[in-house]
Amino acid sequence: DTAVSQTPKYLVTQMGNDKSIKCEQNLGHDTMYWYKQDSKKFLKIMFSYNNKELIINETVPNRFSPKSPDKAHLNLHINSLELGDSAVYFCASSHSSGGADTQYFGPGTRLTVL
Amino acid sequence: GQSLEQPSEVTAVEGAIVQINCTYQTSGFYGLSWYQQHDGGAPTFLSYNALDGLEETGRFSSFLSRSDSYGYLLLQELQMKDSASYFCAVRDHERDSNYQLIWGAGTKLIIKP
Repeated sequence: DTAVSQTPKYLVTQMGNDKSIKCEQNLGHDTMYWYKQDSKKFLKIMFSYNNKELIINETVPNRFSPKSPDKAHLNLHINSLELGDSAVYFCASSHSSGGADTQYFGPGTRLTVL
Repeated sequence: GQSLEQPSEVTAVEGAIVQINCTYQTSGFYGLSWYQQHDGGAPTFLSYNALDGLEETGRFSSFLSRSDSYGYLLLQELQMKDSASYFCAVRDHERDSNYQLIWGAGTKLIIKP
């Protein structure tokens, strides 16, 4: 059973389009995250939700909008895609938002904007 | 501010021992984690140190010195499959008491036969 899953795995689209990436975790965790990893491998936190409530919202263009329908799901919608949005997007989850909780990552979604 | 520094690349020989260092500067240090990421894969958790000293897990060990704001990951008996990027990450609670991981830029470990 996949602990943290993301769809799609690959996403190729044109500039200006709107796209969504879905994430689900079956670990019973309370906290979920979205990260962006660029071509230089730098991992940047974008958002974090704890029990469907937004707790971390880094400096991210408002074209990016996360949505958490329940604590097992955290989706990412991106409007008006730009070339610079090309990256690998990782969803992750942890037991809670505090302490020493390990983060479990999904397989990633490689987004390519043409 | 918050920052983590680790070498961008380290090269070692199969069967050898390699140490990947991480120095950090944060205001609310809580613990140091290490993650491994193979090319094309996702980061996976390796170890966590909240207290000073050495934690050993099989061929991998992780060390922390809070007074020096320094830690390292030690990999012994290197195998080709250990070729990957290794990230240190510090748990910080500077902002609004919400803990978040601050990530280093990663160290690419290249292993030669």
